[in-house]
Amino acid sequence: NAGVTQTPKFRVLKTGQSMTLLCAQDMNHEYMYWYRQDPGMGLRLIHYSVGEGTTAKGEVPDGYNVSRLKKQNFLLGLESAAPSQTSVYFCASSYLLAGSQETQYFGPGTRLLVL
Amino acid sequence: AQSVTQLDSHVSVSEGTPVLLRCNYSSSYSPSLFWYVQHPNKGLQLLLKYTSAATLVKGINGFEAEFKKSETSFHLTKPSAHMSDAAEYFCVVSRSTGRRALTFGSGTRLQVQP
Repeated sequence: NAGVTQTPKFRVLKTGQSMTLLCAQDMNHEYMYWYRQDPGMGLRLIHYSVGEGTTAKGEVPDGYNVSRLKKQNFLLGLESAAPSQTSVYFCASSYLLAGSQETQYFGPGTRLLVL
Repeated sequence: AQSVTQLDSHVSVSEGTPVLLRCNYSSSYSPSLFWYVQHPNKGLQLLLKYTSAATLVKGINGFEAEFKKSETSFHLTKPSAHMSDAAEYFCVVSRSTGRRALTFGSGTRLQVQP
């Protein structure tokens, strides 16, 4: 049971390049999330998904797109990278039991540098 | 709307002394509250969570937190710090129902001196 995994671990991009970050979970969780972490700001939600084929915007969605074609995978895309997108990106997943508060499980993060 | 304020960006303690990391929250709804820990270059790990079952919540590694509604606080404590506790700690608030997106505090970096 690997939990939540993210690829790649580290990437350097030039301004204007595109890339896709992959998040995979093997816990059969319904919900998946993408966050970014910047110094002194905690984590901020970019996009999330409440099930296969569904996605929704979070707090800071601009410049990112996502897809959830399979329940276990959640992809984060940058179509035209900008230096402001230099950050550490975390994926998380969770399940929801009726009457219970979910717990989000986090991946190890992807460090992205945009030059 | 909801928000979290972690009152200290850095806390330094000596090994074997108590730890107190302070967190205040604001929420228009009945909140759920969490503490996560992040060790250097690692992902986030859940320490404990409050979901209205009990105001004093015990977590992993000897940490606990007390929910005080009148003070809108959820401070994290540990009786005796260990070197391995050195990490970044995040206080997090979430709605108990409906959309459950997490709102993170800005983090408190805990240093443990030998």
